[in-house]
Amino acid sequence: GDSVTQMEGPVTLSEEAFLTINCTYTATGYPSLFWYVQYPGEGLQLLLKATKADDKGSNKGFEATYRKETTSFHLEKGSVQVSDSAVYFCALDTGRRALTFGSGTRLQVQP
Amino acid sequence: SAVISQKPSRDICQRGTSLTIQCQVDSQVTMMFWYRQQPGQSLTLIATANQGSEATYESGFVIDKFPISRPNLTFSTLTVSNMSPEDSSIYLCSVEKAGLGTGELFFGEGSRLTVL
Repeated sequence: GDSVTQMEGPVTLSEEAFLTINCTYTATGYPSLFWYVQYPGEGLQLLLKATKADDKGSNKGFEATYRKETTSFHLEKGSVQVSDSAVYFCALDTGRRALTFGSGTRLQVQP
Repeated sequence: SAVISQKPSRDICQRGTSLTIQCQVDSQVTMMFWYRQQPGQSLTLIATANQGSEATYESGFVIDKFPISRPNLTFSTLTVSNMSPEDSSIYLCSVEKAGLGTGELFFGEGSRLTVL
């Protein structure tokens, strides 16, 4: 079945550090890929998405590129801020319109 | 966007009892889903709530344990029946908004249940 594997957290970085959160997937067909973020005390919200191979999703300085050859969708940001502290979830949709999520990665950014 | 209100936001329940969680959306939506997030784990889809018909359950989830209603396009309930400590989780309502077509899901803040 479909699955998403994320790197385990927590990830602790200093402000302005470079961030990578790895995400790989297993799916039949050609899924759409998403990153969702959950800030403390809030619900999950979409951060970015990509719907086909080689697409790059971007938002709020975060980027992720859909790599079909490596079945990956790694999240990156060049310079993190304290306000980026949250839990990040990688997810996929194979057309069912319900999402399959990874386990989530907690990011803690220290000033 | 879609604003989703879930009630209760949290509750402490006794073993063997049942609890109904409500999900109210501020606009009409096409799809409504219920997810479970167990402590330290990912979100797992319980079922798709279908308007006017029985919900579609994922493998490992059954209607007797998690009855779901969806009487209209903006409201759904999930009942957790005959609860045990293993049901302690965050239960999340999620929707796909009508006409958006982006594949984006919107989530409520969740209902955190603790079963003693």
